[in-house]
Amino acid sequence: ETGVTQSPTHLIKTRGQQVTLRCSSQSGHNTVSWYQQALGQGPQFIFQYYREEENGRGNFPPRFSGLQFPNYSSELNVNALELDDSALYLCASSSDGSNQPQHFGDGTRLSIL
Amino acid sequence: GEDVEQSLFLSVREGDSSVINCTYTDSSSTYLYWYKQEPGAGLQLLTYIFSNMDMKQDQRLTVLLNKKDKHLSLRIADTQTGDSAIYFCAESAYGGSQGNLIFGKGTKLSVKP
Repeated sequence: ETGVTQSPTHLIKTRGQQVTLRCSSQSGHNTVSWYQQALGQGPQFIFQYYREEENGRGNFPPRFSGLQFPNYSSELNVNALELDDSALYLCASSSDGSNQPQHFGDGTRLSIL
Repeated sequence: GEDVEQSLFLSVREGDSSVINCTYTDSSSTYLYWYKQEPGAGLQLLTYIFSNMDMKQDQRLTVLLNKKDKHLSLRIADTQTGDSAIYFCAESAYGGSQGNLIFGKGTKLSVKP
């Protein structure tokens, strides 16, 4: 069974740029959630995708957007990057929508200069 | 609003039991989770408990839930140096939040040989 994989593992961008992070869900999972984890903090929910539709969103501005594809993989896009966007971005997958255990990937470390 | 609180640090001797505590606020939470994060890695699901249960045991791990006090604990028996990590408590916010996880800031467990 393949777990959740994320790419790239590390990324450096400058303020104002745009970034796309990718996630492949665990086999058999149709739900993907994205979280932002700032240094020394717990993960904060960004949004969730279920069967290619957004299924809930946290307190993040519209410049954070996402997609889910027919194979249930997902992308997180962030426009107009700010210094505070520097964080570990975690993707988690689960089966059949809400309230199923979420399994996390190792994350993408994004640094904004 | 929803909030999860944990003590930030715990230090134990190898072979002792560790008890990590957590309080949460959302009485409608359906599931409560414990995740482990090692340096530079994502979150590993350790165990979870349904809100109508009082206790769950899984090998060296025991989860206790006091729903009246909204208190959750994780006991690790015979703690090993490999258990050194950050442990996150999380509640699933159902209903309007569509099943996202609300995390505490994490408890850093240090195991001394």
